[in-house]
Amino acid sequence: SQQGEEDPQALSIQEGENATMNCSYKTSINNLQWYRQNSGRGLVHLILIRSNEREKHSGRLRVTLDTSKKSSSLLITASRAADTASYFCATDGGVGGGADGLTFGKGTHLIIQP
Amino acid sequence: DAGVIQSPRHEVTEMGQEVTLRCKPISGHDYLFWYRQTMMRGLELLIYFNNNVPIDDSGMPEDRFSAKMPNASFSTLKIQPSEPRDSAVYFCASRSLYNEQFFGPGTRLTVL
Repeated sequence: SQQGEEDPQALSIQEGENATMNCSYKTSINNLQWYRQNSGRGLVHLILIRSNEREKHSGRLRVTLDTSKKSSSLLITASRAADTASYFCATDGGVGGGADGLTFGKGTHLIIQP
Repeated sequence: DAGVIQSPRHEVTEMGQEVTLRCKPISGHDYLFWYRQTMMRGLELLIYFNNNVPIDDSGMPEDRFSAKMPNASFSTLKIQPSEPRDSAVYFCASRSLYNEQFFGPGTRLTVL
């Protein structure tokens, strides 16, 4: 079963707007990571947040983590057409992931309208 | 560094044939992971290695699947015999010291 569940499953916004995606997970974790996948391509690592961190920034990306609610959010500010992709959260230590493997959610498909 | 390298990028085969997927991890990474991505099940961990030793293969779907890592720079995932339901994109990933996993471009497998 999926450890992480992204919400929404699909999101369409206008270029320049902010995009927020959420992820919930079920068991305790060491780290939570966000990945991007363009259609037909591999996964690109965006950001890693550790279980003892609450917020992390990288360029236009902002990730929050609430371990009490077992949830994380990814905010992309000032979106661009090139941000169109699927975004996945992934946790380690969860169901099916073993101690080091990642368990992925089903992803949020983000479309940026020019 | 060229990143994680996978071959072939695309594989089309007939049911019953043996399929071998190959992966070269990033130099210096001591963890290697095999994942499978399908529309129905999303991304699933199949197996991973640490220092060339298989650590967890609980995600391997059936005995038809096997994986090896004969040395630090090479791993294979073999399916024998292949079935149409094995059609998926298979990703290899390797891990840095700080837990970020870097993924290869994937092998798109189609079993007819």
